[in-house]
Amino acid sequence: AQTVTQSQPEMSVQEAETVTLSCTYDTSESNYYLFWYKQPPSRQMILVIRQEAYKQQNATENRFSVNFQKAAKSFSLKISDSQLGDTAMYFCAFMKHPLINSGNTPLVFGKGTRLSVIA
Amino acid sequence: NAGVTQTPKFRVLKTGQSMTLLCAQDMNHEYMYWYRQDPGMGLRLIHYSVGEGTTAKGEVPDGYNVSRLKKQNFLLGLESAAPSQTSVYFCASSYSRSRGDYNEQFFGPGTRLTVL
Repeated sequence: AQTVTQSQPEMSVQEAETVTLSCTYDTSESNYYLFWYKQPPSRQMILVIRQEAYKQQNATENRFSVNFQKAAKSFSLKISDSQLGDTAMYFCAFMKHPLINSGNTPLVFGKGTRLSVIA
Repeated sequence: NAGVTQTPKFRVLKTGQSMTLLCAQDMNHEYMYWYRQDPGMGLRLIHYSVGEGTTAKGEVPDGYNVSRLKKQNFLLGLESAAPSQTSVYFCASSYSRSRGDYNEQFFGPGTRLTVL
């Protein structure tokens, strides 16, 4: 079974600064996907960024980037130029690579990191 | 498109009462999921469905039943609610593709359920 660990229950960052959220995972799979989801106070789950395990290049989406270390099973999220709207719960999630003809498999989530951006 | 919708948004039950949560999606997705979110626990999979008429157990299925009679709907039932089922429930859906590529899961807005 896969497990996802987020060791930072809460973090805070000053507006315009950079913050890194940590995530480690455990799996025996060789091919999989990793995700960061954002959950603002509205409760809506929003996909921030995705990484495919067989791709060495780290994913980036505007101010969001990841540091994917496959051997260490580490997947951290860096938020640059933090904005007040980044205040939210952030969840790291794992998904086994879908089998052919089988499509998606369910997500396994970490417990989350509550990020507060301070003006 | 409305995307993924959940009914109701809030509900308070007494111990032993029953209820059904409805998830509907208008994106013609084959896969649908029910998760629960508890403080400090993240989201955990309750049940999921890979197509109309099929369901499977997830990580925490006890005390819940599901049905997928129509492709666009996925129902989550609590036959005899317990305080331990107080949680926020999320439904999600996604495409299934024969190539086995990843398809994004789209989440509903959640249902906050309190069992007294």
